[in-house]
Amino acid sequence: ILNVEQSPQSLHVQEGDSTNFTCSFPSSNFYALHWYRWETAKSPEALFVMTLNGDEKKKGRISATLNTKEGYSYLYIKGSQPEDSATYLCAPGGGGADGLTFGKGTHLIIQP
Amino acid sequence: EPEVTQTPSHQVTQMGQEVILRCVPISNHLYFYWYRQILGQKVEFLVSFYNNEISEKSEIFDDQFSVERPDGSNFTLKIRSTKLEDSAMYFCASRDTGGDVQPQHFGDGTRLSIL
Repeated sequence: ILNVEQSPQSLHVQEGDSTNFTCSFPSSNFYALHWYRWETAKSPEALFVMTLNGDEKKKGRISATLNTKEGYSYLYIKGSQPEDSATYLCAPGGGGADGLTFGKGTHLIIQP
Repeated sequence: EPEVTQTPSHQVTQMGQEVILRCVPISNHLYFYWYRQILGQKVEFLVSFYNNEISEKSEIFDDQFSVERPDGSNFTLKIRSTKLEDSAMYFCASRDTGGDVQPQHFGDGTRLSIL
């Protein structure tokens, strides 16, 4: 069973500030790392799928980096807005039909 | 944008009864998954399905559980004799094939309450 840790568990950020949080996962047998954004009462929304060490992906104000050798990924949000309030989940997972192993998530609250 | 749809949104069932949760994956996707989240816990993988058979299953997916793709569009999860601890949010997901790793697309979930 993979041990996936996300920190912090929750985070309060002022609107306009930038923030980041961490996902740690076993570096052995790594295939891919998925980030999801999950708003209450909605379905988890795929943000990024990352596979290569040193990879960096960006979607608007959100970006992520990946270190497969040491087993961590950072998610950054620049200039936080209230609509960024959500739980951010990471999950390493293989290709094909492999299931994802999720962390507990970082619950982000943006305060106006 | 195409999406995964799940029905019902909330299911209340007596302990010991059978329940079927339904999902319609995105139409051109070939990999299908079920996950669950017990309140306050992590989202947990249950089972994956490809080419009309189970590809992978977790320890949670015991003999009480089964999956089926009865036609070209639906993907169902059946719990044969429900227990109180089966109360959870159940998510269906589907994924496209392709050269690069593709994300899994999730439905809104079915909240299952066992009384």
